[in-house]
Amino acid sequence: QKEVEQDPGPLSVPEGAIVSLNCTYSNSAFQYFMWYRQYSRKGPELLMYTYSSGNKEDGRFTAQVDKSSKYISLFIRDSQPSDSATYLCAMSAGRDYKLSFGAGTTVTVRA
Amino acid sequence: GAGVSQSPSNKVTEKGKDVELRCDPISGHTALYWYRQSLGQGLEFLIYFQGNSAPDKSGLPSDRFSAERTGGSVSTLTIQRTQQEDSAVYLCASSLFGENTEAFFGQGTRLTVV
Repeated sequence: QKEVEQDPGPLSVPEGAIVSLNCTYSNSAFQYFMWYRQYSRKGPELLMYTYSSGNKEDGRFTAQVDKSSKYISLFIRDSQPSDSATYLCAMSAGRDYKLSFGAGTTVTVRA
Repeated sequence: GAGVSQSPSNKVTEKGKDVELRCDPISGHTALYWYRQSLGQGLEFLIYFQGNSAPDKSGLPSDRFSAERTGGSVSTLTIQRTQQEDSAVYLCASSLFGENTEAFFGQGTRLTVV
């Protein structure tokens, strides 16, 4: 079993829809949770990070962490075609530790 | 430069040859990470540098893989006697020490072993 599980999709939604992405994990030591966006043939870029359980909102993006269920989510509201990318969850046990990544979910937002 | 720079962008090599991949981190970033991304897979951790030392090299898949970092800056990942299964995108990231939540990635080196 992988340490971080993420449904690879693909996920296709119409413009303006809410995109819902999630990951589950098995390592209870994880405390820092991140979401990266990766466009084709580019390196991942950090979208958001959350420490421990709770919600964090940044513009159209909301990240949620439920440590009791070992489950994290990313919601994208009012999705745009420019949001079409692969979204990767990542997590670590500490801020100077390696990051463990999910496989990534490919999202297409149709105009 | 402003970001993490990796070279070459693409590398095609014959099976059995050695390759060197280079990473120039963001100036001042003491932490440097190498990851490998195979088609349809997530990022697989290879090695982590803090300054010039590598406190975590647990992800290196075999002794054909090695990495070094000099002057607390540039890092080189070397793959000896390349195999077809080494074909992947090799990504480098850097951050301030203790700030992996603010890690910045380069664009990667796409390695193809034929």
